[in-house]
This record gives sequence, structure tokens and C-alpha cells, in this order.
Amino acid sequence: VIWMTQSPSLLSASTGDRVTISCRMSQGISSYLAWYQQKPGKAPELLIYAASTLQSGVPSRFSGSGSGTDFTLTISCLQSEDFATYYCQQYYSSPYTFGQGTKLEIK
Amino acid sequence: QVQLQESGPGLVKPSQTLSLTCTVSGGSISSGGYYWSWIRQHPGKGLEWIGYIYYSGSTYYNPSLKSRVTISVDTSKNQFSLKLSSVTAADTAVYYCASTPSSVGWFDPWGQGTLVTVSS
Repeated sequence: VIWMTQSPSLLSASTGDRVTISCRMSQGISSYLAWYQQKPGKAPELLIYAASTLQSGVPSRFSGSGSGTDFTLTISCLQSEDFATYYCQQYYSSPYTFGQGTKLEIK
Repeated sequence: QVQLQESGPGLVKPSQTLSLTCTVSGGSISSGGYYWSWIRQHPGKGLEWIGYIYYSGSTYYNPSLKSRVTISVDTSKNQFSLKLSSVTAADTAVYYCASTPSSVGWFDPWGQGTLVTVSS
């Protein structure tokens, strides 16, 4: 099983800020990583796959980078609708696993 | 645009079998190229992939749940289903169905999710 350490677990920021969320793997996964956004009471939504490819319809202020064991999700200019919980997910090997989540809250 | 919708009982008694169905609309399960997954989220917690099925019936389960899980597909109804046996309170969670574009991939789209509570 590939374990994932996502940090921070809680991030306080203001509208307009640039924020970064980290996801570290217990072993290398090439670029087999996805990022999701989840709002309260809703299902997760895909933001990024293959570590850096933006899903269709996702705003360009979201970006992903990294390969191997270290990955980051960056939101360049926070909007009010971006305050949510973010998860990384590896699909390099089964069982597919998720990070524990980062809650992005308004400062 | 494919859409998924979960359905099934919201309350299951301990030791019984949890049964959920996911109905796919806007596309055919039989068209191939997509795998159909179940994922759960314990209240206030992270996400756990349960397993997936291909339209042909091929399955892969998370080893942590494999002994209790069965995922099946009904192509005539464009549905796939989850059965989880011998449930306990630890199986209380929101259950989501989702699609993935290949046997190794991300999940998109997702159903809205359904809360299943295990309680007597």
C-alpha cells in the first residue's frame, strides 16, 4: 500500500492569496497523481490529473506540479469559492489511496 | 456528460449486508473504456476506495475489504452495484460511485453520495 502524507491539514488564507498544498508519497509514483476539491455535503470534484493536467472547466488559477514522491497543488489567487477541502489521490498502484485532506478556510 | 446516482437503504443493521446501486445516465456502461468504482467517506474523515468493475464483469477490490465486498454490473439496466457483508458501525459512511477512464486512473465524475448508517 502506498501511504500519502498531505500537509497542512488546515490552511487559513484570505481572498487573493497564493496557497500551496503538499502531498508526499511513501514511494515513487511517477506522475500518477490527481487532486480533488470537496465542498461540504458534496462529492469530490476532479481538479488535476497526471500531476499537472488541468481537468476541463477548472480555472487556470489552479495548478499542480511534482513527480516521484513530492507533489504540490497551488492556487494562485484565492477566490471565495475556493474555500473547501482538497485531497490528493495516487493511482500508480492498487489499492488507490487518498491523502487525509487539507481544509482551506478563510482567515 | 455521464452522470451517476446512488440508491439504496440509508439504514442497515449490524451483521447484515449493505446493498447499493449506482445508475449511470448519459452514457453506456457497455461502451467500454471506463471502470466503475465505489468509494466511501467516513463521517468527517478521508476517502477510501472500495473497488471497481468493468462492463465485462472483471473486478478489483481493496484488499482491506475484499473478504466482504462484491461489486456486480447489470448492463441491461446501465447499473452497477455494491454489496458489503457483515457490516458494523465502522462501515457507517457516505458511499459514492464514480467512473474512471481506465483501469488505472482518477475518478470523474462522481455520484452525489448516499449516507449509510449501520445501527440496530
